[in-house]
Amino acid sequence: ELKVEQNPLFLSMQEEKNYTIYCNYSTTSDRLYWYRQDPGKSLESLFVLLSNGAVKQEGRLMASLDTKARLSTLHITAAVHDLSATYFCASLLAGDSNYQLIWGAGTKLIIKP
Amino acid sequence: DGGITQSPKYLFRKEGQNVTLSCEQNLNHDAMYWYRQDPGQGLRLIYYSQIVNDFQKGDIAEGYSVSREKKESFPLTVTSAQKNPTAFYLCASTPGHPSSYNSPLHFGNGTRLTVT
Repeated sequence: ELKVEQNPLFLSMQEEKNYTIYCNYSTTSDRLYWYRQDPGKSLESLFVLLSNGAVKQEGRLMASLDTKARLSTLHITAAVHDLSATYFCASLLAGDSNYQLIWGAGTKLIIKP
Repeated sequence: DGGITQSPKYLFRKEGQNVTLSCEQNLNHDAMYWYRQDPGQGLRLIYYSQIVNDFQKGDIAEGYSVSREKKESFPLTVTSAQKNPTAFYLCASTPGHPSSYNSPLHFGNGTRLTVT
């Protein structure tokens, strides 16, 4: 069964602390996507990781991809309250011009002052 | 600005009634998708369409139907056969060709359906 597993599923942390969300996937894809969802809202794209060793950073968030380990990480540096949200990773399942994503269950992140 | 418009934002229906959710995009994207999200869960694919007049079932298509008569529009009908239709429904799109794998899905703002 093709699957994507995120951990932790719930994370409560203090501001100014660092933490990492892990995304393990079983597909053979070399493309991995991170999205953010605020409560009651739609999904917003954060990062698209296109190859082994890819690293992307935006503000206090940094994502990386290790296709050999089938692992992506989302690292949060010096967290601030505005980063409280649910974070999803998704792995590409592709073939014959077919674009489908296998989604993780999401990591709900709460950052306390 | 280009984007995906879903309507309505909230929808309430009685059990046994069919209901249609609207999804319109002006991004000139070929591929469109419908996802369902239950509280505290990830996304599950209902249907997708790569081109006009063609669509495929996703993982949870039972109880749902779609049409793709125009490139811009991909409406989803939730039928009375869907046993547990209350959920948050998200429509998305991509350019639709292999190079689009380098791009993320573009999502609409969602429709929250409640069936009682």
